[in-house]
Amino acid sequence: QQQVKQSPQSLIVQKGGISIINCAYENTAFDYFPWYQQFPGKGPALLIAIRPDVSEKKEGRFTISFNKSAKQFSLHIMDSQPGDSATYFCAAVKAAGNKLTFGGGTRVLVKP
Amino acid sequence: EAGVAQSPRYKIIEKRQSVAFWCNPISGHATLYWYQQILGQGPKLLIQFQNNGVVDDSQLPKDRFSAERLKGVDSTLKIQPAKLEDSAVYLCASSSWTGTYNEQFFGPGTRLTVL
Repeated sequence: QQQVKQSPQSLIVQKGGISIINCAYENTAFDYFPWYQQFPGKGPALLIAIRPDVSEKKEGRFTISFNKSAKQFSLHIMDSQPGDSATYFCAAVKAAGNKLTFGGGTRVLVKP
Repeated sequence: EAGVAQSPRYKIIEKRQSVAFWCNPISGHATLYWYQQILGQGPKLLIQFQNNGVVDDSQLPKDRFSAERLKGVDSTLKIQPAKLEDSAVYLCASSSWTGTYNEQFFGPGTRLTVL
């Protein structure tokens, strides 16, 4: 069963625009919500993560917004750059055992 | 600090053949994970080791997949016999410990094509 649902599957944005990716989870036992960035031929790399007791976290051009009551969270990429073109995965972690459950991924293409 | 190493990077085999993948985690990382990433999907955990013991292998198709982590360092994942649906990227990851959330560091993966 898919515990983390991610949308959209793909996204095209102009350079300088905002990329928004949404995720929803079903299991309230998750403890952390990381986002991973994956370039072709590479493994996923942690981009930013948030705890469920925080509503927003910002690191540079990347912001996570978290809505605990709705069981939803989103990634905003501000001032999108061509180098941000990659596949982004949201995930949810149960701290006990450090088990990651990934969403299906969003392929982002930033056009110059 | 060296990252997670995996080999081979690519492998093409015929169905019903056997294949093995190797992973060397980041030095000092006690926990090692194997994931299967089918094209267009997120990675799915196959097996998790803590040192040389198995923590979770509930998603591992044990009739054809096996994994070991000798001496709590390197690990191998084997598929025997392979099926067409095993075509995927096999990712290895490691983290420092499992008491609470710790970042998992991923290797570049092995892309397996089963013909």
